[in-house]
Amino acid sequence: TQLLEQSPQFLSIQEGENLTVYCNSSSVFSSLQWYRQEPGEGPVLLVTVVTGGEVKKLKRLTFQFGDARKDSSLHITAAQPGDTGLYLCAGPNTINDMRFGAGTRLTVKP
Amino acid sequence: GAGVSQSPRYKVAKRGQDVALRCDPISGHVSLFWYQQALGQGPEFLTYFQNEAQLDKSGLPSDRFFAERPEGSVSTLKIQRTQQEDSAVYLCASSLSPEGEKLFFGSGTQLSVL
Repeated sequence: TQLLEQSPQFLSIQEGENLTVYCNSSSVFSSLQWYRQEPGEGPVLLVTVVTGGEVKKLKRLTFQFGDARKDSSLHITAAQPGDTGLYLCAGPNTINDMRFGAGTRLTVKP
Repeated sequence: GAGVSQSPRYKVAKRGQDVALRCDPISGHVSLFWYQQALGQGPEFLTYFQNEAQLDKSGLPSDRFFAERPEGSVSTLKIQRTQQEDSAVYLCASSLSPEGEKLFFGSGTQLSVL
C-alpha cells in the first residue's frame, strides 16, 4: 500500500520543455525526500524538504513542500536528456521506515 | 568502500531454491535497510538494522525471508524456497545516522525466479 501517490506515472517530453511532477498523501509528513533512479541503479537523494511551504532549488530543479506538509512538487525547467529517470518521493512512515511512492518515469527526448 | 556494494548483481533461481543476497554498507554507517522494488514500482521497505540489531522486520513478506547483520557491518538477506512472486530488485541502503535521514543505496540485486 502506497502512502504517497505520485503523478503522472509516465511523462515523455522534448528537450527544452518544462515539467512538474507531484507527490500527494492524505498523511502529514515531518519531511519529504525526492530521489532520482536511473535504470540498473539505486535511488540517489536529490533533496529533503522539512518546513511547510519550503521551496528548494537545485540548478534547474525546484522542489516545493506543501503548506500542510501533505504534498510536494518537483518542477524541472528546460529539461535535458540527462534528466531522464524515475523520480521518487519518500517520507518517513516511522522513524526508521522511509516509504516511497511508485514514482514518475520521465523521458526527455533530444 | 566508496559506496554501498551489493552482490550478486543478478541472480537467477529455480523455484524452490534458497538464495542469499549480500550488502556491504558504507564503512561506519550505523543504519542498514533492505527494500524490495518490483517492476514499475517504488521501493518497499523490508527490514532495518541499527548496528547488529534488527529493530524492524515488519516489511518482510513471509517467514521465508530472513536478514542478518551479525557484526554490524555486512548484511545478508536470505530467501528460502523462492517463489516466482519473489522476483524483484532487492536494494540495500545505509545511513550514517540511526534515524536514516539520508539513505545511500546500492545498485541492487535483480532476482529472477523461474
